[in-house]
Amino acid sequence: QIVLTQSPAIMSASLGEEITLTCSASSSVSYMHWYQQKSGTSPKLLIYSTSNLASGVPSRFSGSGSGTFYSLTISSVEAEDAADYYCHQWSSYPTFGGGTKLEIK
Amino acid sequence: QVQLQQSGAELMKPGASVKISCKATGYTFSSYWIEWVKQRPGHGLEWIGEILPGSGSTNYNEKFKGKATFTADTSSNTAYMQLSSLTSEDSAVYYCARSRLRDYFDYWGQGTTLTVSS
Repeated sequence: QIVLTQSPAIMSASLGEEITLTCSASSSVSYMHWYQQKSGTSPKLLIYSTSNLASGVPSRFSGSGSGTFYSLTISSVEAEDAADYYCHQWSSYPTFGGGTKLEIK
Repeated sequence: QVQLQQSGAELMKPGASVKISCKATGYTFSSYWIEWVKQRPGHGLEWIGEILPGSGSTNYNEKFKGKATFTADTSSNTAYMQLSSLTSEDSAVYYCARSRLRDYFDYWGQGTTLTVSS
């Protein structure tokens, strides 16, 4: 199976700051998807196929990467962005990263 | 609008079985895969497997073969996951989600909390 490693595990950011979350794959994958999970709710699709914004997702979110290294960037953090973020790949079968918890200072 | 509505929380005894439902509305149920995902604190998200309701085709994570069984009823647009021989390791939140091309999960149910305790 392909193991996804996300870093950092916890990120603390200030309002308006630009941040980047990363996801490293143990083998090359074609695409990466990202989900946002707020406390007590189900995951929500944020970015699909590496760089495409899901419907209704603010444009401050963006994704990039290829091969074994992918990233999610928030250009200007807002209070509502406090959540856990998970990367996800589907090559042979789906696996998820361990998540990054984003805290707002 | 697309919605996946899951059944309520369950409290089960070790050794028992449980069946969780996921009712789909707002799209053509038979044409999309229903994915099942397990989430436990400290263990992240784990893919259990999937079913394509239109054909009944299933795929399972090797880890969950013998533990999980998927079925779907196209007359009621409802997918089911049965978990058998429950242990405390099965205590978790279980999600159903939708995927079109077995790539990303675009809609998720609200989750069903399963607690296994004597």
